[in-house]
Amino acid sequence: DIQLTQSPSFLSASVGDRVTITCRASQGISSYLAWYQQKPGKAPKLLIYAASTLQSGVPSRFSGSGSGTEFTLTISSLQPEDFATYYCQQLNSLGFTFGPGTKVDIK
Amino acid sequence: QVTLKESGPVLVKPTETLTLTCTVSGFSLSNARMGVSWIRQPPGKALEWLAHIFSNDEKSYSTSLKSRLTISKDTSKSQVVLTMTNMDPVDTATYYCARIGVVQGVIITDYWGQGTLVTVSS
Repeated sequence: DIQLTQSPSFLSASVGDRVTITCRASQGISSYLAWYQQKPGKAPKLLIYAASTLQSGVPSRFSGSGSGTEFTLTISSLQPEDFATYYCQQLNSLGFTFGPGTKVDIK
Repeated sequence: QVTLKESGPVLVKPTETLTLTCTVSGFSLSNARMGVSWIRQPPGKALEWLAHIFSNDEKSYSTSLKSRLTISKDTSKSQVVLTMTNMDPVDTATYYCARIGVVQGVIITDYWGQGTLVTVSS
């Protein structure tokens, strides 16, 4: 199975900060990567698919990039509602594994 | 409006078989290149993909859980059923179903159910 790692696992940031989260795959997955946001007690919400395509309705401050084995999620200006846990998921091969998550907390 | 809702027992005993049902609305399980995934999340832990089924009945399972999982669908009832055998306390988790579709050649998971917490305990 393809393994995903995320860094950092936790980050503390302030409103207005630019935030970048990295997801690395154990082998190449082309651009078959999605990013989700999850708030406590809620289901995940799709933010980005195909590594860089913004899901409809998602604010443009979110962006994704990368291909192959290294991917990034960037929030250009962190807003109060963005404090949450973020997960990447590979959808390239059987076993659509998730990364371990990155929790974004208020500094 | 697309919705998915999970249903099933809140408590199961070790060694029992868990059966969860996902009832969907706002789309049909016969729609081309659409389907449903099951994902779980133990309390305080990360998401884990379990299985999916597409409208053409193509199925896929987590490698580590494949021997314990069965996914099926009843298109007429708009339901997808997941069974997991030989439940263990480590299987305690919130179980989600989610819609999957193929957009521009890429699988996306765009709508999720609210999740159902299943506790495994004697």
